[in-house]
Amino acid sequence: QKEVEQDPGPLSVPEGAIVSLNCTYSNSAFQYFMWYRQYSRKGPELLMYTYSSGNKEDGRFTAQVDKSSKYISLFIRDSQPSDSATYLCAMNTGGFKTIFGAGTRLFVKA
Amino acid sequence: DADVTQTPRNRITKTGKRIMLECSQTKGHDRMYWYRQDPGLGLRLIYYSFDVKDINKGEISDGYSVSRQAQAKFSLSLESAIPNQTALYFCATSDRKTGTYEQYFGPGTRLTVT
Repeated sequence: QKEVEQDPGPLSVPEGAIVSLNCTYSNSAFQYFMWYRQYSRKGPELLMYTYSSGNKEDGRFTAQVDKSSKYISLFIRDSQPSDSATYLCAMNTGGFKTIFGAGTRLFVKA
Repeated sequence: DADVTQTPRNRITKTGKRIMLECSQTKGHDRMYWYRQDPGLGLRLIYYSFDVKDINKGEISDGYSVSRQAQAKFSLSLESAIPNQTALYFCATSDRKTGTYEQYFGPGTRLTVT
């Protein structure tokens, strides 16, 4: 079993939709939770970073962490074609190693 | 200019050849990483370096070696390339002051071993 599971998609939504991206994990020691966005032929870029449980909002993006369920989510409101990318969740226990999910491909249709 | 650069961006090589991938950064970060990305497997850590004199193996270091020539430069070598090393390779950096959690990635090198 992988430490971090993420549905690879692809997920296709119309412009303006609310998008929900999710990851589950097995290691209860994870404390730091990140979402990275990766455009085609580019490197991942950090989108959201959350410590421990709770919600964090940044513009159209909301990251949610539920440690009791070992489940994290990224919500995108009013999705735009420019949001079309692969979204990677990532987690860290506080040590040297960050574990990445395999990524979910998102397509937002105009 | 990009903060983290990688050369070459694309490379095709033959089995058994030695190849070096290079990474440079202008972010002033002390920590640098090499990852490979394969479809369905996500990013996997090959090597990481927390400063010039500190180099450590990641989860998939077999068949790879690294050199940290300076704080800003971290190179990855494949001593004898094999086809299953065909992948997308990323260099990343982070700042000790903010921990390993916020990593900044280069644009990647697409390597094909035939």
